[in-house]
Amino acid sequence: ETGVTQSPTHLIKTRGQQVTLRCSSQSGHNTVSWYQQALGQGPQFIFQYYREEENGRGNFPPRFSGLQFPNYSSELNVNALELDDSALYLCASSSVIGSRDTQYFGPGTRLTVL
Amino acid sequence: AQSVTQPDIHITVSEGASLELRCNYSYGATPYLFWYVQSPGQGLQLLLKYFSGDTLVQGIKGFEAEFKRSQSSFNLRKPSVHWSDAAEYFCAVGEAAGNKLTFGGGTRVLVKP
Repeated sequence: ETGVTQSPTHLIKTRGQQVTLRCSSQSGHNTVSWYQQALGQGPQFIFQYYREEENGRGNFPPRFSGLQFPNYSSELNVNALELDDSALYLCASSSVIGSRDTQYFGPGTRLTVL
Repeated sequence: AQSVTQPDIHITVSEGASLELRCNYSYGATPYLFWYVQSPGQGLQLLLKYFSGDTLVQGIKGFEAEFKRSQSSFNLRKPSVHWSDAAEYFCAVGEAAGNKLTFGGGTRVLVKP
C-alpha cells in the first residue's frame, strides 16, 4: 500500500456543476500526476505538476485544471461537468520528474455525473 | 506517439496453472515499460518495471516480464497462479524524458478453483 491518499472516495454531481478532487502525495515526493480511468479502459494522462508548476498535459480540455501546493499535495478541478467525465480519477506521485521514476498511485476518486 | 496494445481483454486460468499476459508497445526510442495490477475498487500497484539492462525482469508476487525489442513486446508471466491474482492488469510505457505513462486497455484475469 502506498502513502498516496485521495479524497473523497466517491462523488456524485450533475451535469454543468464543478468538482474538486484532492490528492496527498507520498512523503518525499514532489511530482504529482493525474489520470482519468473510464469504465473498462486504461488510465489516461491528464496532467502533471512539479514543484507547483504544470509540467505537461494530455489531451484534455481547459476545463480540467489543477493546482499543486507547497506541501506537494494537489487538486484536480473540473468545470462544466459532462456525462463523459464519469470515471475513476487517479493521482500518482513520484520523487523525480519524468517517467523514469516509479509513479505510486492512490486508490482513486470515483466521480459519477448525472 | 507512443501506444500500448493488450490484445487479450479477458483471460481465465485455473489456479496453479501458468499465466502469460501480452503487451505490445509502439515507441520510437528505448521505452520505459511497466506492469501494474488493479484489484476491484483499488488503485494501481506496480508489479515490475524495465528501463534498461537485463531483458528479463523480476517483480513482486512471483511475476516476471521479458522485454523483446524485435517484437516490441513486454509480456508478463507467472508460473503458478493463485486465486488472489484475479485482477486487472495494465501494461504502460513512459518516455525517457517525458512525464506521462501511456496505458493499454488492460487484461482482466479470472482464476478458476
